[in-house]
Amino acid sequence: AQKVTQAQTEISVVEKEDVTLDCVYETRDTTYYLFWYKQPPSGELVFLIRRNSFDEQNEISGRYSWNFQKSTSSFNFTITASQVVDSAVYFCALSEAEGNNRLAFGKGNQVVVIP
Amino acid sequence: KAGVTQTPRYLIKTRGQQVTLSCSPISGHRSVSWYQQTPGQGLQFLFEYFSETQRNKGNFPGRFSGRQFSNSRSEMNVSTLELGDSALYLCASSSVRPGRWETQYFGPGTRLLVL
Repeated sequence: AQKVTQAQTEISVVEKEDVTLDCVYETRDTTYYLFWYKQPPSGELVFLIRRNSFDEQNEISGRYSWNFQKSTSSFNFTITASQVVDSAVYFCALSEAEGNNRLAFGKGNQVVVIP
Repeated sequence: KAGVTQTPRYLIKTRGQQVTLSCSPISGHRSVSWYQQTPGQGLQFLFEYFSETQRNKGNFPGRFSGRQFSNSRSEMNVSTLELGDSALYLCASSSVRPGRWETQYFGPGTRLLVL
């Protein structure tokens, strides 16, 4: 069974600080996808990034970057130079098997950016 | 392109009643998934429909059901409502292409309150 753990519940940072969110996953599959979604107070889940299990290259997209390490089953996410608009709940999610749209979510990280 | 739309956005029902929620996917997306979000259990997968067929099902009682129409629009139904069914119900859509993994895009959700 797939499982996603986000240990931190609430993280407060001062604007312009960086914030890193930890995600650890469990899966028996060798092929899987990992995602980060953002949920602002409005409730809609907004897709941020995805990574497949074959590509451990870490990338930067604007103020977002991620660190995928298969050896430790971790998929951490960093927001650089945080802004007040980044205040939201961030979810890490795992999908196993090609064509399987069943996402397993972590409990989420509430990020509060203080102006 | 218009995003995923869900109706209604808010709903209040009483125990024992039934409710039907509707989801219109992004144009061209043929897969629709439903998730339940509660403070206690977090985000949980309900079911997925593709080409009018249920392709995946989560661990929910039979009171939760769904269907998909030929235009890919989907409805979910909850019968004999219980207080614990109070939740945010999120719908997600994705395209489906053989050999490829597609990202799920979420709607704004329907907030259901059962009294």
